[in-house]
Order: sequence, then structure tokens, then C-alpha cells
Amino acid sequence: QKEVEQNSGPLSVPEGAIASLNCTYSDRGSQSFFWYRQYSGKSPELIMSIYSNGDKEDGRFTAQLNKASQYVSLLIRDSQPSDSATYLCAVNGGEDNYGQNFVFGPGTRLSVLP
Amino acid sequence: DTGVSQDPRHKITKRGQNVTFRCDPISEHNRLYWYRQTLGQGPEFLTYFQNEAQLEKSRLLSDRFSAERPKGSFSTLEIQRTEQGDSAMYLCASSLEGAHSNQPQHFGDGTRLSIL
Repeated sequence: QKEVEQNSGPLSVPEGAIASLNCTYSDRGSQSFFWYRQYSGKSPELIMSIYSNGDKEDGRFTAQLNKASQYVSLLIRDSQPSDSATYLCAVNGGEDNYGQNFVFGPGTRLSVLP
Repeated sequence: DTGVSQDPRHKITKRGQNVTFRCDPISEHNRLYWYRQTLGQGPEFLTYFQNEAQLEKSRLLSDRFSAERPKGSFSTLEIQRTEQGDSAMYLCASSLEGAHSNQPQHFGDGTRLSIL
């Protein structure tokens, strides 16, 4: 059973600070990793994808992947109140994944305080 | 840019009734997925189509659930003899076919099902 784990939070950070969100996964063969943002009552919205070890930056967002440690993280710089949402980590494509579905973590709720 | 469309947005029904949801994916996407999400949890995979072929079903999907994608475009998800535990948000997502499972999935706004 492939598992993706996240700290459910809430994670509270002051406006302008860096928010750090973490995710671990169980399937060592996983190949693709995604971060989604979900506002309350809304559907998940893709923020970042990462496939190779290291960092990937897109605006205020940086995704970090360490396959040896089976760990992926999302950093949000200059956090804004509008970043307050639940952040979902999704993992796809591993040895146990005989399909193309994503396995999602439970999400981390982020609260950015003005 | 037309995204993934789901209908209805909300469905309230009595226990034991049948319900059907519709999903229209992004037009050039040949992969379509159904997920279920309950409060405080991430989306949980239900089933997946590539074109009209249903290639995978979750072991969690009981025989009361059935999904179709007859022409490889829109899809329907039917739940028969609904139970209280079926109350959830049902999400549809679509993606392009790509190598190494690396295509991101794009989600619709979901159908929220409430069982009375």
C-alpha cells in the first residue's frame, strides 16, 4: 500500500515569512511529485511539479525533492494571507503503482497571519 | 481555456437512491480520473480511463459504483443504493498521456454529494 504522509497542521506563519511544507512517501520507485493548493470548498489547483532531485523554483514557490530520503517539500517565500489554504502533496508512478493514479497525502493546512 | 467541468455541483438525495455525476474533461486530454474526498483528507483514487477504456479501479470501489466513458470524451459516475458513507466531494481530473507517469492532473470543481 503506497502511502504519502504530511503534517496536517495547522501551520501558522506571519505575513512575509517563509512557509515550509513537508511530505514523505513510501514507494521508493515513485517518479513524479506534485503540490496542489486547495482552498476551502474548492478543488485542488496545481502549483508545482518536480521529477528530479534538487530544487525547482517558480516565483515565490520552491519545490525540493530528495529521492534517497523519500522526501519532498514546498517552500513559500514572502507568504501572503491569500496563501492560506490546504496544501496537498501527490505522488505518481512507482513500483507499486500499476496505474496512473495519484496518491495524495492528507494535506497541510497553512494559515498566514496578517 | 476550458477546464474540467463537473455537473451537478451539489446533489442531495435520500439514502437508497441512485445518483449519477457527469465530468467533461479538458478537450485534448485522453486520461480521465475520478476521486473522492472527505473532510480533512486528501483525494482518494476511485478509477481511471484512458480514452474509453477503464484501466484501473480502486479496491475500495464497491460494486455499487460504476463509471463509464463511452466515447472517450465525457464520463459518468453512478452510485447505486446510496449509503450515508457515500457523502463526500467527488472530483474528476484529466491529463494528457505522457511518458513516465509525469503528466499533472487538472481537477474540476467537484460534485458535493449529501446523503440524508
